[in-house]
Amino acid sequence: AQSVAQPEDQVNVAEGNPLTVKCTYSVSGNPYLFWYVQYPNRGLQFLLKYITGDNLVKGSYGFEAEFNKSQTSFHLKKPSALVSDSALYFCAVRHGAGGYNKLIFGAGTRLAVHP
Amino acid sequence: DTAVSQTPKYLVTQMGNDKSIKCEQNLGHDTMYWYKQDSKKFLKIMFSYNNKELIINETVPNRFSPKSPDKAHLNLHINSLELGDSAVYFCASSQAAGTSYEQYFGPGTRLTVT
Repeated sequence: AQSVAQPEDQVNVAEGNPLTVKCTYSVSGNPYLFWYVQYPNRGLQFLLKYITGDNLVKGSYGFEAEFNKSQTSFHLKKPSALVSDSALYFCAVRHGAGGYNKLIFGAGTRLAVHP
Repeated sequence: DTAVSQTPKYLVTQMGNDKSIKCEQNLGHDTMYWYKQDSKKFLKIMFSYNNKELIINETVPNRFSPKSPDKAHLNLHINSLELGDSAVYFCASSQAAGTSYEQYFGPGTRLTVT
């Protein structure tokens, strides 16, 4: 069965420092992986995805993610964190083909960026 | 130009009542979804419709009934509300075909059952 694990409930980073939010996955077949961000009292916003191609994927707001097939990981990164990056981050894997397009989400990681 | 909109944003009601949440998307997508986010922020899919046809039903109690009058709208009706139904409900949409599989989410409806 497809699953996603986000091993950290919370990540604390000082502003200006690099950040990493971890995600590992378990899928049968090729993984389609996504990162979403949720700000307080808001819906989820799409950040980036990995479908195929380059292992380093660039997304919105300066975020990027590195797909590592051997480690079954898809960690989210940013070279220099901003206080405004503080939010809840979800990793997700797509399950299905064609119209059967279900996202399975990790439990979420709360990112706190301190001034 | 809101891409995925939901009404109402907040819904407070008593146990046993019946309520509906509405969702509309103006992205031209074929597929729409309902997700439930519990108090621990865990997100789980409930239903998905593709071109008005139900394609995913994740063992949700039959008190929950989705309806899609057209591919731009997906409503969620809940009968006999229970305390455990309190959650934030998110609508989302995506293109079913091609490589663009990301889903676009609405702002959520916070349902509180008292």
